[in-house]
Amino acid sequence: QQPVQSPQAVILREGEDAVINCSSSKALYSVHWYRQKHGEAPVFLMILLKGGEQKGHEKISASFNEKKQQSSLYLTASQLSYSGTYFCGTEIRTGAGSYQLTFGKGTKLSVIP
Amino acid sequence: EAGVAQSPRYKIIEKRQSVAFWCNPISGHATLYWYQQILGQGPKLLIQFQNNGVVDDSQLPKDRFSAERLKGVDSTLKIQPAKLEDSAVYLCASSRFVGSATNEKLFFGSGTQLSVL
Repeated sequence: QQPVQSPQAVILREGEDAVINCSSSKALYSVHWYRQKHGEAPVFLMILLKGGEQKGHEKISASFNEKKQQSSLYLTASQLSYSGTYFCGTEIRTGAGSYQLTFGKGTKLSVIP
Repeated sequence: EAGVAQSPRYKIIEKRQSVAFWCNPISGHATLYWYQQILGQGPKLLIQFQNNGVVDDSQLPKDRFSAERLKGVDSTLKIQPAKLEDSAVYLCASSRFVGSATNEKLFFGSGTQLSVL
């Protein structure tokens, strides 16, 4: 049930754009995105809910294709501060009134000057 | 607002010893999570509390791991006895949401890095 992220790693120069993908084999209720810098706690970026509602970061955008069970995170005009490992979490319904959030293995993003 | 507090920050033990981690969530947050993050992997949920009741502990190795959340606030995660494969960062997170699905963001603590030798 763990989502699959791609790419595993990417290197960008400042100002370049990047897309990180997340896919699941299960029907999704929501997708969550977090960024973790080395040795630090994961920090919330975005929640995408079934039906189109989004909650999250002002400077980061994402899409959620419910039919394809996929989500993509769009990082535009990257800054050095964008470096870190990006995790997607996919939430599925496991039973009556029960849900489970599972994180992928992460995408390591490095932004260089 | 104050963040999620965890202690200790680092812990080194030998296999078969016991260890305990402590977490103090953000004030007023009803839901508390313990995650295990092995190097190079994403966080894996061990247990989820809502107030002081367990919502999900399906991935908690109950033969060696235990957790409690007294009075719906602080929480303790214990490993007894520890194995080499338990070496990981143990993250505590909290959320203000109450319900079934996770519709609110999680606030993570800095974690406890456990090394089992």
